[in-house]
Amino acid sequence: KAGVTQTPRYLIKTRGQQVTLSCSPISGHRSVSWYQQTPGQGLQFLFEYFSETQRNKGNFPGRFSGRQFSNSRSEMNVSTLELGDSALYLCASRGNPGQGYEQYFGPGTRLTVT
Amino acid sequence: KNEVEQSPQNLTAQEGEFITINCSYSVGISALHWLQQHPGGGIVSLFMLSSGKKKHGRLIATINIQEKHSSLHITASHPRDSAVYICAVPETSGSRLTFGEGTQLTVNP
Repeated sequence: KAGVTQTPRYLIKTRGQQVTLSCSPISGHRSVSWYQQTPGQGLQFLFEYFSETQRNKGNFPGRFSGRQFSNSRSEMNVSTLELGDSALYLCASRGNPGQGYEQYFGPGTRLTVT
Repeated sequence: KNEVEQSPQNLTAQEGEFITINCSYSVGISALHWLQQHPGGGIVSLFMLSSGKKKHGRLIATINIQEKHSSLHITASHPRDSAVYICAVPETSGSRLTFGEGTQLTVNP
């Protein structure tokens, strides 16, 4: 079974631009969570999608948004990029409720904002 | 006080040594993840455990639910074990993880 995939792996953007990152979960998984990792703040939860609905949201500004498609693939979007948005963005997929809490992480997208 | 605390923050060992990393938490449900992250790399889930002990190769993880404490042990450490080890606790819904700050492990040959 293929693991979680994320595209692109690396991205360089300029302040004020917007960016869209993509995550394809493990086949059969319907839950996708997004996390941001920065040297200063560590790993922080952004949001979770399950069956195309946002189920949980972390403490991030509205510039951070996401969505999930019917095939469970998820995208996150960051608008009006700031230098502080430079980070490793990770997504993780999880099986259906009742299949346990283990999350499987993708390789991440490293975003650099200049 | 952080909700998930790890110790030590940094650890340097000689190849072959027995290593222990500790994690204490005050939030979350009765389960805990141990994750590994190599430099510049993504995150690999090593263990998820909700009771007792799990073993995978040279790695052993234990958890004490009553005390909300977990330990990750590495036996016969090797330079390829050099990485950041992170513990994470899921909230009640099971998806939102709260992470420790990580332990940077360096194993010298």
